[in-house]
Amino acid sequence: SAVISQKPSRDICQRGTSLTIQCQVDSQVTMMFWYRQQPGQSLTLIATANQGSEATYESGFVIDKFPISRPNLTFSTLTVSNMSPEDSSIYLCSVPGGSTDTQYFGPGTRLTVL
Amino acid sequence: RKEVEQDPGPFNVPEGATVAFNCTYSNSASQSFFWYRQDCRKEPKLLMSVYSSGNEDGRFTAQLNRASQYISLLIRDSKLSDSATYLCVVGYNFNKFYFGSGTKLNVKP
Repeated sequence: SAVISQKPSRDICQRGTSLTIQCQVDSQVTMMFWYRQQPGQSLTLIATANQGSEATYESGFVIDKFPISRPNLTFSTLTVSNMSPEDSSIYLCSVPGGSTDTQYFGPGTRLTVL
Repeated sequence: RKEVEQDPGPFNVPEGATVAFNCTYSNSASQSFFWYRQDCRKEPKLLMSVYSSGNEDGRFTAQLNRASQYISLLIRDSKLSDSATYLCVVGYNFNKFYFGSGTKLNVKP
């Protein structure tokens, strides 16, 4: 399985500011995924980050709010822009699991917006 | 209608009990099925894939019923360490996954 790290692990931010979350994988992967898990809720896919092309966003998520970078096959960033308390959530990155067609997740970034 | 639906629980069971969770999915074109486990304040981790023929891994048995569009997970001889939230996950096109909201299990001594 892939080893995935995320930075920061947690942060407390003021509304109106932006936070960039980093995701690092120990192997090269074509696709990386960004999810949000709001308190008491399940995971919701924000976007798929493809190296060499723009990210693909799911319904309800837009690039201006959640810009994504994918500079190489082992790294991606997600920025949560102009934050509001409703953005308080856990943000997780994940990568495909190879032959099992599943996903492996990073440890998550716990964001609190005041 | 949600893509994947689960009973949120919690299921409170004594050690040694057998407990079963069900999950239903809405899209008949779903291609892959999984159970994940999520501990409090941790990321989800794959527990097992679910196949049409059913599969077993130690105390855990997963079943898929495509006709009725549901997935089940059976845990036998529950341990305290089984306490967690169990997420049902359904995949499409091998790169899009929908997560259920999870079923919380509390195993009591």
